[in-house]
Amino acid sequence: AQSVSQHNHHVILSEAASLELGCNYSYGGTVNLFWYVQYPGQHLQLLLKYFSGDPLVKGIKGFEAEFIKSKFSFNLRKPSVQWSDTAEYFCAVNPNNAGNMLTFGGGTRLMVKP
Amino acid sequence: EPEVTQTPSHQVTQMGQEVILRCVPISNHLYFYWYRQILGQKVEFLVSFYNNEISEKSEIFDDQFSVERPDGSNFTLKIRSTKLEDSAMYFCASNLAGGTDTQYFGPGTRLTVL
Repeated sequence: AQSVSQHNHHVILSEAASLELGCNYSYGGTVNLFWYVQYPGQHLQLLLKYFSGDPLVKGIKGFEAEFIKSKFSFNLRKPSVQWSDTAEYFCAVNPNNAGNMLTFGGGTRLMVKP
Repeated sequence: EPEVTQTPSHQVTQMGQEVILRCVPISNHLYFYWYRQILGQKVEFLVSFYNNEISEKSEIFDDQFSVERPDGSNFTLKIRSTKLEDSAMYFCASNLAGGTDTQYFGPGTRLTVL
């Protein structure tokens, strides 16, 4: 069965530090990839997604992610984090030939210290 | 901006009781989903619904679960006889075009089974 791994469960950074959150998936075929964010007390919101084309995708709030097919990875990055980026970040995968369900990683809780 | 809404925000029930969780998807969306997240675990797919029928379901979605679109706006998840292990946050989501299209999530219903 496919799975999604987020190796960093908790990350603590100071403001202006750079961020990289790892996401790896186990599925051999073509996939659609998503990063969602959940701010405290709010619902899951899409940060960015990849389904084809340029493997470097840009999302909202200065986030970007790079799809590296050979590594089965879709890591999320932000050059300079802000206190308001404190949230939980979820990577999710939808295999192209497996309907519409999303398989989520375990989430990474990011705390940014002011 | 249109949002997915869910009611109630928190439901407490006794083991063995039936519960109905309600969702109002975004009005022009065609695909509807339920996910759940047990405390400390991953967000897990339960079921997807399109054209008035279930299109996919996971192993979790057994005979105790059912979904319904009783009218043009609501999408419900019924758990017939709740168990302690059904305690979780239940998220509804919807999108317009399935697969690559962003799924928009509601704020969730926290179900506590005593």
